[in-house]
Amino acid sequence: TQLLEQSPQFLSIQEGENLTVYCNSSSVFSSLQWYRQEPGEGPVLLVTVVTGGEVKKLKRLTFQFGDARKDSSLHITAAQPGDTGLYLCAGARAGGTSYGKLTFGQGTILTVHP
Amino acid sequence: DADVTQTPRNRITKTGKRIMLECSQTKGHDRMYWYRQDPGLGLRLIYYSFDVKDINKGEISDGYSVSRQAQAKFSLSLESAIPNQTALYFCATSGDGGVSTQYFGPGTRLTVL
Repeated sequence: TQLLEQSPQFLSIQEGENLTVYCNSSSVFSSLQWYRQEPGEGPVLLVTVVTGGEVKKLKRLTFQFGDARKDSSLHITAAQPGDTGLYLCAGARAGGTSYGKLTFGQGTILTVHP
Repeated sequence: DADVTQTPRNRITKTGKRIMLECSQTKGHDRMYWYRQDPGLGLRLIYYSFDVKDINKGEISDGYSVSRQAQAKFSLSLESAIPNQTALYFCATSGDGGVSTQYFGPGTRLTVL
């Protein structure tokens, strides 16, 4: 059972369109991170959100952490071909045996066509 | 130069062979991790180490072992490789604290025939 469910798994859109990727769980996370991975490379951190309801913006990317800290979303405005890649959400749970570890979602493969 | 390096980048081997994947980092981090990535499954944690004397199993450690030779080096071994261990393997490091960025290596693509 996947602790973090990401949707959709695949997204193919035209340049200029908007899109949203969702990351949902029944568990509470102390923080949530979004990574982006390009072919032949490892994931690279985009953002960390730590407070319920928090919204962070990174140019055309908007990240939101749910009020209950169980879900998150990534919204891209006016997508560009350079946004193409695999997007991964990853949650950190506070304390105990989970301390310092991340749980990853399945990933969303985004393709933006020129 | 890359902060986290992995060798080899690609490896094809046969069932039953012993394989070692190596990871080195220059970030000075105490924490290191090994993940495997399969299509549609994201990244799953195999083993992790919070310092040289600390080794812990992750969610899918069966069939794997690790060695933390130094703060900067963390190797993953497949004692007797099997085809369902064919995957992309990533090493990562992070600083201390509960909410730390993980820095990933470029990955090793392993194929077990």
